[in-house]
Amino acid sequence: NAGVTQTPKFQVLKTGQSMTLQCAQDMNHEYMSWYRQDPGMGLRLIHYSVGAGITDQGEVPNGYNVSRSTTEDFPLRLLSAAPSQTSVYFCASTDGASGEETQYFGPGTRLLVL
Amino acid sequence: GQSLEQPSEVTAVEGAIVQINCTYQTSGFYGLSWYQQHDGGAPTFLSYNALDGLEETGRFSSFLSRSDSYGYLLLQELQMKDSASYFCAVRDGDNFNKFYFGSGTKLNVKP
Repeated sequence: NAGVTQTPKFQVLKTGQSMTLQCAQDMNHEYMSWYRQDPGMGLRLIHYSVGAGITDQGEVPNGYNVSRSTTEDFPLRLLSAAPSQTSVYFCASTDGASGEETQYFGPGTRLLVL
Repeated sequence: GQSLEQPSEVTAVEGAIVQINCTYQTSGFYGLSWYQQHDGGAPTFLSYNALDGLEETGRFSSFLSRSDSYGYLLLQELQMKDSASYFCAVRDGDNFNKFYFGSGTKLNVKP
């Protein structure tokens, strides 16, 4: 099992550029989520999905889009990057069907927007 | 909304015991989780308390008091590798599928 994988590990964007952060998991988890982590702050939920075709907004969804076409993949899209989106992004998955509380996190994507 | 408060930083010596506190305010409550994150790494799950009392997992224990909206993580026999940030987390009381994290406590273990 690779667990939760994320690509790229690092990315530098210019203001206004778009990009997609990739996230995949091979544990057949129904629940997947995206967080951002800024210095001195905890993880803040951006978007989450409880299964293929179902997504919803988290605490800080503005400027981000998601889709969930398969159980395995949950990409995060930045349509027009802004410096305020400079952060570390973590994807996570949970076996929500069994009531499991453990969230398994990917290694993160470090994004710098100039 | 939900809010969680933790101390920003704690320092302890190798071999000692340290307690990291977390107080929470939620509209509803399912349980309190703890995560560890080393610098540059990803958060990893440590423990979960849904009921009052102490849960022990090796050198780490976690405690919950639902009536006090309070929990703590207890680390015993501290090792240098325990230097990391520790986060408490809860589910949204109004939306089970949303999670909220505290801002984290940075633990510095000194020799």
